[in-house]
Amino acid sequence: QVQLQESGPGLVKPSQTLSLTCTVSGASISSGGYYWSWIRQHPGKGLECIGYIYYTGSTFYNPSLKSRVTISVDTSKNQFSLKLSSVTAADTAVYYCARFEVMTSGIDSWGQGTLVTVSS
Amino acid sequence: DIQMTQSPSSVSASVGDRVTITCRASQGISSWLTWYQQKPGKAPKVLIYAASNLQSGVPSRFSGSGSGTDFTLTISSLQPEDFATYYCQQANSFPFTFGPGTKVDIK
Repeated sequence: QVQLQESGPGLVKPSQTLSLTCTVSGASISSGGYYWSWIRQHPGKGLECIGYIYYTGSTFYNPSLKSRVTISVDTSKNQFSLKLSSVTAADTAVYYCARFEVMTSGIDSWGQGTLVTVSS
Repeated sequence: DIQMTQSPSSVSASVGDRVTITCRASQGISSWLTWYQQKPGKAPKVLIYAASNLQSGVPSRFSGSGSGTDFTLTISSLQPEDFATYYCQQANSFPFTFGPGTKVDIK
């Protein structure tokens, strides 16, 4: 059973960089067939796709965030990471890491989510 | 980006009711449509993938249909554990956008 766990600071100051890591257990990021994803949910709102990475390092970023987002993968640690620069209060959200299955084109596993608040 | 809309935005229903939620894409997405259920404070859970395929372990009272731009999620007989928010997501082209959600609550 694959499990994903987000980790990182819960509070980030405006203009700084938000950094989160997702540790995957029960499956290998290098096995292929999946995109490893970051998705966020603003308080009381819907879901927003931030971006995806394949184990080869290929990335897809949401154009609305592309200038500020970097997603990377460390296959040796079975982790992938999110960096979002120049954050503002509008980036306050619950951030989920997730596994997107290519064959079904759906997200079959999610982390529990971590609330990141942007505030001075 | 492909825009996804859902209707209704909320629905009040009773246990045993049949509930239908509609999702519409701003352009054709073939059958690349997934339905999720989310309960408060929890991550979403996949119900239906590729428009009409039931995810393993999901009760058969959930069903999906549609292709192109118009899709539906049907709960044939609403159970107490089904009160939640439901989202559709297209996976035809990146970014894989979500609908705004439909909240199903108790009448």
